[in-house]
Amino acid sequence: EIVLTQSPGTLSLSPGERATLSCRATEGVSSRSLAWYQQQPGQAPRLLFYGAYSRATGVPDRFSGSASGTDFTLTISRLEPEDFAVYYCQHHGGGSPPITFGRGTRLEIK
Amino acid sequence: QVQLVESGGGVVQPGRSLRLSCAASGFTFSFYTMHWVRHSPDKGLEWVAVISHDGSHIYYADSLKGRFTISRDNSKNMLYLQMNSLRVEDTAVYYCARDPVDGVPDYFDTWGQGTLVTVSS
Repeated sequence: EIVLTQSPGTLSLSPGERATLSCRATEGVSSRSLAWYQQQPGQAPRLLFYGAYSRATGVPDRFSGSASGTDFTLTISRLEPEDFAVYYCQHHGGGSPPITFGRGTRLEIK
Repeated sequence: QVQLVESGGGVVQPGRSLRLSCAASGFTFSFYTMHWVRHSPDKGLEWVAVISHDGSHIYYADSLKGRFTISRDNSKNMLYLQMNSLRVEDTAVYYCARDPVDGVPDYFDTWGQGTLVTVSS
């Protein structure tokens, strides 16, 4: 079973700063099999990226996704107030279970 | 527009059953694989189950096998989750979610607003 480890657990930054969120897989996974979501309090998750790099419809270009081996990164270049939320990475690609989530990174206002 | 609306949540005692529903609109429901995903403050997001577009392929999270049953009615554009022998640890917001890619379970491009299930005596 693939385990996704997200770090840090909580990230405290100010608007305008750059945020770097990490997601590490326990074994080699295809970059085509990694997605990122944003979840605001009391709301459903929102798809940000799929295939590690592909930005979902409506996602601002200050968000970017990258991958290197088992390490995946979500970067927000300049934080806006609406970006403070919890971010989850998700792996998909068959096996058992076919879908796993990381535990999330909480991005909070400093 | 594309919309998913869950219903059926509530407060239930341990050991009892509950059936969740998800009404789909704004897209051709029968074309899409559908999932249930749950969220709790202590565990975060947890994938529950998936059903293929025609109902022929179904998979569950290992921890839930035998207690939960996913199904769909394409004639009614409805997705269901039958939950039996509920436990306190099943307390969560349950979301239905659309999988935009045909074939193996993939990612989720559309989510409902969620329905809260509370298991408590």
